Amino acid sequence: NAGVTQTPKFQVLKTGQSMTLQCAQDMNHEYMSWYRQDPGMGLRLIHYSVGAGITDQGEVPNGYNVSRSTTEDFPLRLLSAAPSQTSVYFCASSDRAGYNEQFFGPGTRLTVL
Amino acid sequence: RKEVEQDPGPFNVPEGATVAFNCTYSNSASQSFFWYRQDCRKEPKLLMSVYSSGNEDGRFTAQLNRASQYISLLIRDSKLSDSATYLCVAGFQKLVFGTGTRLLVSP
Repeated sequence: NAGVTQTPKFQVLKTGQSMTLQCAQDMNHEYMSWYRQDPGMGLRLIHYSVGAGITDQGEVPNGYNVSRSTTEDFPLRLLSAAPSQTSVYFCASSDRAGYNEQFFGPGTRLTVL
Repeated sequence: RKEVEQDPGPFNVPEGATVAFNCTYSNSASQSFFWYRQDCRKEPKLLMSVYSSGNEDGRFTAQLNRASQYISLLIRDSKLSDSATYLCVAGFQKLVFGTGTRLLVSP
C-alpha cells in the first residue's frame, strides 16, 4: 500500500493563479481531510469529507474548494492564490471520522508570490 | 482561546531524563484524543491514542482527565531520537490539533 500520496511536493504560484493539490489514498478510508500548517498556528482543518459525494468546511475554508467523486481521491483547489495561502498542506485519511488514527500524506509546500 | 492548547517549548532535556507534556482542550464534547509526533518538515504520525483509563506504550505514558479537560504525555528515559514536536489532538468527528510542543534531547 502506498498509503496517502500527495502531488506536487513543492509548488510556486503567482498571486491570482489557480491550481489543484492532489491527494489519493489506497486504504479504502471513508474520511479524508485537508490541513494547512503555518509556523505557530499548528494544523488547521480546511475541508473534510466523510465519504464520496460528501464534503464539509473546516476551520479555514475560504479560498479553497474540494470535491470527492471517488473514495480514493480528494483534490484541493485554490481558486485565486494569495500570499496568505503560502503554507504546507497536508492531506489525511482515516477509516472512521474523528475516532481513529489519521494517516497523513507527505505534504505539499506551496509558496504564493 | 485555542480549542487545544499546548506549551510550545522547547523542552531541552538530557538523554535519560523523564519529561512530561500537558495539553488542555476546551470542547467538552470531545471523545477522541491522540498524541502525534512530527519530525522537522515531515508529516505528523500517530504516537499513541489516549484512553480514559490511561495507557502506556513502552517508554510513553498518556493520561486523560476529562473533568479537567487535560491530556498528558510522559516520556521516560529520553533518547536522542525522541527529539521532535509532539502534537496533542482532541475532538469529536472533527479532530483539532494543538500547535505542538518541541522536545530537544541532548547527549
